[in-house]
Amino acid sequence: AQSVTQLGSHVSVSEGALVLLRCNYSSSVPPYLFWYVQYPNQGLQLLLKYTTGATLVKGINGFEAEFKKSETSFHLTKPSAHMSDAAEYFCAVTYSGSARQLTFGSGTQLTVLP
Amino acid sequence: DGGITQSPKYLFRKEGQNVTLSCEQNLNHDAMYWYRQDPGQGLRLIYYSQIVNDFQKGDIAEGYSVSREKKESFPLTVTSAQKNPTAFYLCASSIGLYVSNQPQHFGDGTRLSIL
Repeated sequence: AQSVTQLGSHVSVSEGALVLLRCNYSSSVPPYLFWYVQYPNQGLQLLLKYTTGATLVKGINGFEAEFKKSETSFHLTKPSAHMSDAAEYFCAVTYSGSARQLTFGSGTQLTVLP
Repeated sequence: DGGITQSPKYLFRKEGQNVTLSCEQNLNHDAMYWYRQDPGQGLRLIYYSQIVNDFQKGDIAEGYSVSREKKESFPLTVTSAQKNPTAFYLCASSIGLYVSNQPQHFGDGTRLSIL
């Protein structure tokens, strides 16, 4: 069975500071990993994904994430937070050929302070 | 532009009433999904469908029903058997059920409340 743990349901950073949102996964086979962002009363928008290949993945809006197999982690980072980054972020995992598709973490609400 | 349209955006249900949430996609995707979102619990899978006239129960299917008569449409009915229906409901689609390396695309959701 696969699962995702997002450490910290709420994270606050100052504008211009580093954003670090943590995601650890559990999967018995090589995972595919996704980060989504959700703005209030909207659906989820894909930020980035890791399937195979380069372990450092760049996404939209200046975000990136690094797949670390030894640590079973896929943390999301952004060097400099912007007010518009305030939203909820979800990490999700699946694997090749999965009929169940995505398993989501419980989400991290990011607040950006002026 | 291609995308997923959910309607209505807000919906109110009376006791003992069934309500249907609409989901339409024009992405030509084969697979479609319904999720329920509650605060602090992430997204939980209700039903999913690989092709027309085929669908499978997810983790929390009790009190819900779906149909898939057309590729583009995957409506969700919240029945009176669902005792705690207040939540945000999200519809999603993807290229194919087993094409796991491709992302799901989401609609903007329907917020259901009890009157």
